[in-house]
Amino acid sequence: AQSVSQHNHHVILSEAASLELGCNYSYGGTVNLFWYVQYPGQHLQLLLKYFSGDPLVKGIKGFEAEFIKSKFSFNLRKPSVQWSDTAEYFCAVNEHTGTASKLTFGTGTRLQVTL
Amino acid sequence: DGGITQSPKYLFRKEGQNVTLSCEQNLNHDAMYWYRQDPGQGLRLIYYSQIVNDFQKGDIAEGYSVSREKKESFPLTVTSAQKNPTAFYLCASSFPGTRSYEQYFGPGTRLTVT
Repeated sequence: AQSVSQHNHHVILSEAASLELGCNYSYGGTVNLFWYVQYPGQHLQLLLKYFSGDPLVKGIKGFEAEFIKSKFSFNLRKPSVQWSDTAEYFCAVNEHTGTASKLTFGTGTRLQVTL
Repeated sequence: DGGITQSPKYLFRKEGQNVTLSCEQNLNHDAMYWYRQDPGQGLRLIYYSQIVNDFQKGDIAEGYSVSREKKESFPLTVTSAQKNPTAFYLCASSFPGTRSYEQYFGPGTRLTVT
């Protein structure tokens, strides 16, 4: 079965610091990769996604992620975080199994940005 | 306004009672999903449905049941057989097949069973 690892469970950064959150998955075939964000009291929403093509994908609010197939990784980055980025971040992987669209989520990383 | 609605936002039940969580979408999505979110465990798939009148078990289906009688609706029943039902429940929907696999999420229902 597919598994997704997020190694950082809780990250605390000061405003303007750079961010990198790790995500590794286990499936060796064709995958779609996602980062979702859950701001306090809000819906889980899509931050960015990779389907094919350029392995460096850009999302909303200045976030980007790089797909490195050889390392089974899809790390999330942001050059300069803001207090409003305080949220929980989830990496997710969808493996191609016919028409099924099943996502496997990581355990999440709680990001706390201090002023 | 297109989206997914879940009601109620908070739900309290006594142990031994079945409870049904509502999920409705007006996005015209074929596929719908139920996840359970627990602190430190991420989201775990309970059930999913790709078309009306069809659904499959996810990774943690024991103690739960679903129905899919309408495209827009995918209610989840938490039965008394679920050993640890207190959790945050999220409903999602997507287009299946070769279209985007992106899932759209509702606001969630926090269920507390005492």
